[in-house]
Amino acid sequence: EVQLVESGGDFIQPGGSLRLSCVASGFSFDIYSMNWVRQAPGKGLEWVSFISRSSSTIYYAESVKGRFTISRDNDKKSLFLQMNSLRVEDTAVYYCARDLTTSYGMVVWGQGTTVSVSS
Amino acid sequence: QSALTQPASLSGSPGQSITISCTGTTSDVGGYRYVSWYQQHPGKAPKLILYDVSNRPSGVPLRFSGSKSGNTASLTISGLQADDEAIYYCSSYTSSSPLYVFGTGTKVTVL
Repeated sequence: EVQLVESGGDFIQPGGSLRLSCVASGFSFDIYSMNWVRQAPGKGLEWVSFISRSSSTIYYAESVKGRFTISRDNDKKSLFLQMNSLRVEDTAVYYCARDLTTSYGMVVWGQGTTVSVSS
Repeated sequence: QSALTQPASLSGSPGQSITISCTGTTSDVGGYRYVSWYQQHPGKAPKLILYDVSNRPSGVPLRFSGSKSGNTASLTISGLQADDEAIYYCSSYTSSSPLYVFGTGTKVTVL
């Protein structure tokens, strides 16, 4: 079964750091680009970051640039999101999502992990 | 990068058809055929139902179809069913701010 499982979400104070993980199974992780997408409580989807299959291309949304770092370990079939200088507005469910092979679109999603930033 | 514009809500009776619009700019929807649509049920992860404007991933019913004209893309759900009640998001590749931009979301209610 093709699956993505996120972990690492927690309740944390503003200014703190958190590292999210996403483990893939059921497919060849190293041939796909990956993304992080978040959803604040009661709000819509917001794309956060993209990493190509070899980690050679990385993009960030302006809202997280300079604070978040995406990375991957193809040997461990894992995707990561290092989140620093967290703000209240970073509170959201964070999903990892796998891109299509030959186009733009996220075809496999994890169940999400919740990050709550509050004092 | 502003979110793509979608109607906040739409409703229809079982068996009817509804069309959800998604309006962007020439930097996203209007400039590329990389428009995708997602269905999200409450408390669940989004599910890709269309990509490249009108292509369906494996397993997505033919009732879901897509089109695009200028800066506006559309998702049509034909033969509305109870399980279609969900929030639908469009998304597009964007050249103005990497990489993806999502729509504001449309809540579909089946009466």
